[in-house]
Amino acid sequence: GAVVSQHPSRVICKSGTSVKIECRSLDFQATTMFWYRQFPKQSLMLMATSNEGSKATYEQGVEKDKFLINHASLTLSTLTVTSAHPEDSSFYICSAKDRGQEKLFFGSGTQLSVL
Amino acid sequence: SQQGEEDPQALSIQEGENATMNCSYKTSINNLQWYRQNSGRGLVHLILIRSNEREKHSGRLRVTLDTSKKSSSLLITASRAADTASYFCATVRWDYKLSFGAGTTVTVRA
Repeated sequence: GAVVSQHPSRVICKSGTSVKIECRSLDFQATTMFWYRQFPKQSLMLMATSNEGSKATYEQGVEKDKFLINHASLTLSTLTVTSAHPEDSSFYICSAKDRGQEKLFFGSGTQLSVL
Repeated sequence: SQQGEEDPQALSIQEGENATMNCSYKTSINNLQWYRQNSGRGLVHLILIRSNEREKHSGRLRVTLDTSKKSSSLLITASRAADTASYFCATVRWDYKLSFGAGTTVTVRA
């Protein structure tokens, strides 16, 4: 089955630093990737939709300068949390859509802790 | 944005029993999907039901969809300890944006 690899699985950083999270589709071409944020015991909140070769579409309330998304190829999308602060601490999950399929394939998530 | 609402929020059952959880949504959908999440992990797709379908089965899973009531249910039969996880419904719009419900945490006691 389709596999989405997300790295790193866990990152701890100091306040003010930037963190990059990678999401790769390993055996299919992902024309669209989605980035979600999840707080403990809560649902996934869509942050942005990333289409290969075009600018990401951000959901209302999500700062595009804070959460930089790049989808440079059909197999890779990155989320960079710039100048991270403790309130950015969260679980970030990516998902990818394979052309012709209706279900999404999810990465295993990244737990970000900002000190 | 979060569209679906699920109930119950949490469910604790004995191994072998059935687990039923419900999902309600507000807008029209293309399809509805159920996902499972183990603690601290990504989501795994379980089953998809289209807006013109009423019921679907996959192994021990049974999903129903009532578009007139804008609701869906997921039934897990003969539960096992390994079914312990959080279950989310996700409604899918025409532009393929998924909106997740709040989730139901299922604990299966051995």
